[in-house]
Parts: sequence; structure tokens; C-alpha cells
Amino acid sequence: DVKVTQSSRYLVKRTGEKVFLECVQDMDHENMFWYRQDPGLGLRLIYFSYDVKMKEKGDIPEGYSVSREKKERFSLILESASTNQTSMYLCASIPGQGPSYEQYFGPGTRLTVT
Amino acid sequence: KQEVTQIPAALSVPEGENLVLNCSFTDSAIYNLQWFRQDPGKGLTSLLLIQSSQREQTSGRLNASLDKSSGRSTLYIAASQPGDSATYLCAVRGNTDKLIFGTGTRLQVFP
Repeated sequence: DVKVTQSSRYLVKRTGEKVFLECVQDMDHENMFWYRQDPGLGLRLIYFSYDVKMKEKGDIPEGYSVSREKKERFSLILESASTNQTSMYLCASIPGQGPSYEQYFGPGTRLTVT
Repeated sequence: KQEVTQIPAALSVPEGENLVLNCSFTDSAIYNLQWFRQDPGKGLTSLLLIQSSQREQTSGRLNASLDKSSGRSTLYIAASQPGDSATYLCAVRGNTDKLIFGTGTRLQVFP
């Protein structure tokens, strides 16, 4: 079974703090994604990565950066957390670009910025 | 720009009913469509994936159909159970790896 893990289930940070959210997948997947999920807005793509050291902006990259130093690990960084970044953050991975490939999701990190 | 809509937003049914969840999308040039289940406060679990060349996929009591030309997919749940209570999300993938999600249908099955 594919396993996507996220470093924390719940996180509380203060405004202005630097926040790291870690995601690890154990199936040698090429592509990894970070989404945020908010009531009424659904899931929105923040950043994704096709390969080590490669990254692409999603639909809402402002206020975020990412790092992919190893294939299995994709980190989301909030350089200076703000209250409007309080949200559920979901990481996902996919083996490659074929039409039969499913995206697999981690359990999510509920981040609260106070 | 692709937009995905799910109707209804919420549904409450008694146990044992067969039910249909709807998903529509505006751009028929999709690569595949995926149905997910999400329990409160949890991540997404993939239920079914339908490639653009396929018409339907089945897994147990679940059957998903795809009509690309009309921009519609349905998820049919047979003999619903209280354990089926969750939010169901559909997502379409275009020619990139991005998934575009609907806002989901919140299902409650009561005993």
C-alpha cells in the first residue's frame, strides 16, 4: 500500500513564525503536491514538484515556498505565518503522468495561526 | 478554466437506500476523473479512478460512470450503510498533473 505521511496532525503557531510542514511518501513517486482545504473553497493547489529540486507554482502560492531535496520528501514552508494561513494542509503524491495513476493523500495537518 | 461542481452539497438518507452523487465539469478535455472519500478531519481516500477512455469503474458497492462529452460523472452507492457517512469529492485531471476538485457532497446515512 502506498503510504503518504505528514509530520504533524495538529499544529499551533504564532503570527510571524516560520513554519515547516513535512510530507514523506514511501513508494518512489515522481510527483508530489501541497494543497490547502478551507470550508466553502474546497481544495486548492499551492505548489507541486515533478522531481527532486524542481517545483511549480499552483493556484495559490503566495506566502508559501517548498523544498524537495530528496525524492520521497516534499516540504511546505510558511516564511512568516499569518492568520489567513490557518487551514487544513494536505500532501499528495502520484507515481507519474500516466492516465491510470491515482493521487494518494496524506492524513492532513490542521494548522492554526494565532 | 476548468470548474467542477458537485450536487447536492449535502444528502441525508436512511440505511439501505441506493443513492447517486453527481459531479459536473466545464471542460471535457480531461485525462481522468477521480472520486475520493473524506472523513471529518482526515485526509482523502481514493475510491475510484476513471480514465478518459473509460465509461465506468466499479469497486464493491460503488460504481462510477463518466460521460465526457456532457461533462458529467456519477457515483452510485448501493445499499448504503452508516459507515458510508463522509464527504465525497470528485476531481478532474487535465493534461497537467493538477487535480481540480469539486467542493464535495456531505453524505449522512442514518440507521
